[in-house]
Amino acid sequence: GAVVSQHPSRVICKSGTSVKIECRSLDFQATTMFWYRQFPKQSLMLMATSNEGSKATYEQGVEKDKFLINHASLTLSTLTVTSAHPEDSSFYICSASDWDKGEQFFGPGTRLTVL
Amino acid sequence: DAKTTQPTSMDCAEGRAANLPCNHSTISGNEYVYWYRQIHSQGPQYIIHGLKNNETNEMASLIITEDRKSSTLILPHATLRDTAVYYCIVPGDSSYKLIFGSGTRLLVRP
Repeated sequence: GAVVSQHPSRVICKSGTSVKIECRSLDFQATTMFWYRQFPKQSLMLMATSNEGSKATYEQGVEKDKFLINHASLTLSTLTVTSAHPEDSSFYICSASDWDKGEQFFGPGTRLTVL
Repeated sequence: DAKTTQPTSMDCAEGRAANLPCNHSTISGNEYVYWYRQIHSQGPQYIIHGLKNNETNEMASLIITEDRKSSTLILPHATLRDTAVYYCIVPGDSSYKLIFGSGTRLLVRP
C-alpha cells in the first residue's frame, strides 16, 4: 500500500509552546488529507479535513485557531498545535486519500506530551 | 454517514479463521464498506473495502450480504500479529471522510 509518513513520531514540549507536526504522502499525490486525534483507550476522532490550496474544514468542537492546518502541496500537510497545554497531550494521526485507488492511508502517528 | 455496529470484543485461536461482523443497516446503494485495523500505538491500517460483491485480497476477505445491511471481515488464518482493533466504516460521501466508531477488539490466542 501507499506510504504516509509523519514527523516527529514523538514530541515533548512545555506548556504554552507551539508544536508542528508534518504529514507526507511519499508515493502518491493527496489532494485531501485528514487529521485525527486519539486519547488513550479511545477511538480516533476526526479533527479536520485538509485540502491542498484551500482552507481546512474543521469538525465541530475543534478550535481552528488552536490547531492550525496548512496543506501547501499535494504531498505535505502540517498541523500546528498552538499554545499547547497538558490537555492537548494525545496521539495525532494523519491520513491521505489516494483517489485513484479509493483508499485512505494513515501515517504512523505522533505522540505529543505537553508538560 | 451510515452508522455501523460492531461487537466490542472477540477472540479466536491462532491459526483459525476470525470472522468479524458489522451491521450497517442504513447503508445506501452507492456507499462502500471499508475495514481498517489499528494495532496498539500505530496508525490505522487499510484492510479491504467493497460495495456489493465479495472481495478478497492478501490480507482478508469481505463478505457483504445481498441486502448490504451487514458484512463480515474474514481473516482466514489468524496470527498473534492480527491482534488489533478492527473498524468497519461506511464513509457516506465522496469526501472519503472516515468516522471511526469503537470497533471490535480482536484478541488472537496462542
